[in-house]
Amino acid sequence: DVKVTQSSRYLVKRTGEKVFLECVQDMDHENMFWYRQDPGLGLRLIYFSYDVKMKEKGDIPEGYSVSREKKERFSLILESASTNQTSMYLCASLTGSSGANVLTFGAGSRLTVL
Amino acid sequence: GENVEQHPSTLSVQEGDSAVIKCTYSDSASNYFPWYKQELGKGPQLIIDIRSNVGEKKDQRIAVTLNKTAKHFSLHITETQPEDSAVYFCAASGDWTGTASKLTFGTGTRLQVTL
Repeated sequence: DVKVTQSSRYLVKRTGEKVFLECVQDMDHENMFWYRQDPGLGLRLIYFSYDVKMKEKGDIPEGYSVSREKKERFSLILESASTNQTSMYLCASLTGSSGANVLTFGAGSRLTVL
Repeated sequence: GENVEQHPSTLSVQEGDSAVIKCTYSDSASNYFPWYKQELGKGPQLIIDIRSNVGEKKDQRIAVTLNKTAKHFSLHITETQPEDSAVYFCAASGDWTGTASKLTFGTGTRLQVTL
């Protein structure tokens, strides 16, 4: 079975701290994604990566950056955390090609910024 | 870009009844429409999807219908059971581009199945 693992389920950070959210997939997938989930707003795409060292901005990239040094690992970085970045963060990996855009999600990382 | 609207935001049904969740999309180029189910404490998981060359697709108690002219698609769950209680997300995307075809998600529907 396909697996996407997010290393931290719950984090509490202070305003201004640098935060790393790690995601690892075991399927040799090229495409990986970071979404943010907020009540009433659904899932919004922050960044995605279609290959090692390649990245593209999603719909809400401001305040975030990403790193993809190895194919299996995609990290989301908050350079200086702010309270409005308190949210659930979901990492996903893309299965299939040519029309089957099936995302496999991790269990999520709930970040609280105080 | 694509915009997906989803209704209702919450839905409560009695066990055994049917549930319907509706979505509309804005980009006529979208041709792939999946539905994801998110159980408590888990990430969303694909439960059914439909492509634009098909009007309806069924998988046991769940079915999805698509009206391309009106740009809307719906999820139908029959004979609901307590384990159907979850948050459901619709999504839409265009053709696979070889880089990454972005899915745009709706805002989610919290379905509660009561005994």
